[in-house]
Amino acid sequence: EAGVTQFPSHSVIEKGQTVTLRCDPISGHDNLYWYRRVMGKEIKFLLHFVKESKQDESGMPNNRFLAERTGGTYSTLKVQPAELEDSGVYFCASSHRGNYGYTFGSGTRLTVV
Amino acid sequence: AQSVTQLDSQVPVFEEAPVELRCNYSSSVSVYLFWYVQYPNQGLQLLLKYLSGSTLVESINGFEAEFNKSQTSFHLRKPSVHISDTAEYFCAVAAKGGSEKLVFGKGTKLTVNP
Repeated sequence: EAGVTQFPSHSVIEKGQTVTLRCDPISGHDNLYWYRRVMGKEIKFLLHFVKESKQDESGMPNNRFLAERTGGTYSTLKVQPAELEDSGVYFCASSHRGNYGYTFGSGTRLTVV
Repeated sequence: AQSVTQLDSQVPVFEEAPVELRCNYSSSVSVYLFWYVQYPNQGLQLLLKYLSGSTLVESINGFEAEFNKSQTSFHLRKPSVHISDTAEYFCAVAAKGGSEKLVFGKGTKLTVNP
């Protein structure tokens, strides 16, 4: 089966601009997660979708971040306006419901300058 | 809430030497435990997991980890490492019966030298 696909793989934007990250989960996976790793720190949970519904968005840092999952398929994570501290690697992951230990994508490295 | 501590940020070893990457966790509820690996320029891959049953779990490439409830540890070991094991290793936990959200440690960079 195809893996979790994320794009772009890299993005460099200026402070104040908008960026949209996309994640295509493994087909049939109801669960979709977003995580982020800021340089030198832990990988931290951002939010969890079950199909198109947000199950848990407790990790979203602030209202500049907006995540959507259209029709329970692919997901987008928009940062608007981007700040310097948003730089990091954004990972997406997916799984079947109840299946701990999910499949991660390769990540999007976001650099805000 | 859960937290994970990986005591060693970097571990250099020589090829064919044994290695242990340490992981301790803290949680007020029972947890599932995971080790993920990130090879250079790649995404995170699940290496092994403990959900229930035998406390010793193994991966297909020779790593093993043992769940020790009394010491709240889940250390990762390999008796003989290869150059290709060079990667960053992440320990993670998820609360049983929770939202399946993972809490990660800071990672340990394993460098295997010839």
